[in-house]
Amino acid sequence: IQLTQSPSLLSASVGDRVTLSCKGSQNINNYLAWYQQKLGEAPKLLIYKTNSLQTGIPSRFSGSGSGTDYTLTISSLHSEDLATYYCYQYNNGLTFGSGTKLEIK
Amino acid sequence: EVQLVESGGGLVQPGRSLKLSCAASGFTFSNYYMAWVRQAPKKGLEWVATISTSGSRTYYPDSVKGRFTISRDNAKSSLYLQMNSLKSEDTATYYCARPSYNWFAYWGQGTLVTVSS
Repeated sequence: IQLTQSPSLLSASVGDRVTLSCKGSQNINNYLAWYQQKLGEAPKLLIYKTNSLQTGIPSRFSGSGSGTDYTLTISSLHSEDLATYYCYQYNNGLTFGSGTKLEIK
Repeated sequence: EVQLVESGGGLVQPGRSLKLSCAASGFTFSNYYMAWVRQAPKKGLEWVATISTSGSRTYYPDSVKGRFTISRDNAKSSLYLQMNSLKSEDTATYYCARPSYNWFAYWGQGTLVTVSS
């Protein structure tokens, strides 16, 4: 399964509601996770199984979706959310999206 | 606290071999599948290999199958990745990861492998 993330680059202001998209080439059956990677760091798990928040992750992060279309939402952007976000599917093989780079205006 | 510390990266010529190691602590290593994930410079993430708790089952994508071998030593809480016939496209930071079911919950800090003459 191939994953297409959009947009590839997103610029937003602190306090904005931000939505990142991930679309699969086939049905993912909700077996989708989201990762945050800050510059020079390893990826960090945010969300698994579409909408389950990993322990310790702030509640401003949420996930949703079904079928082939999934979304990561940050309800109120913080400056420390500057990062690249990757979706990842584990329904058929194990593949990552190409990432959305989130910039702070 | 789960800790994963990779080592063994470096500069290697095309066609040569390199073995990466990952030292695990903070959990019962023998109870968990383990995996390697890589990231080419300024590129996205790619799953490289997974190994079962006993080491009897291993899984690879086509891009490395037949060239890479994942293994583990449960007595030493260590994970390994033997990489043979290295190509320039194998240049990447290699992360050791501990899956929870099929998603990667914990990651090491990574070790850089550069394949170049």
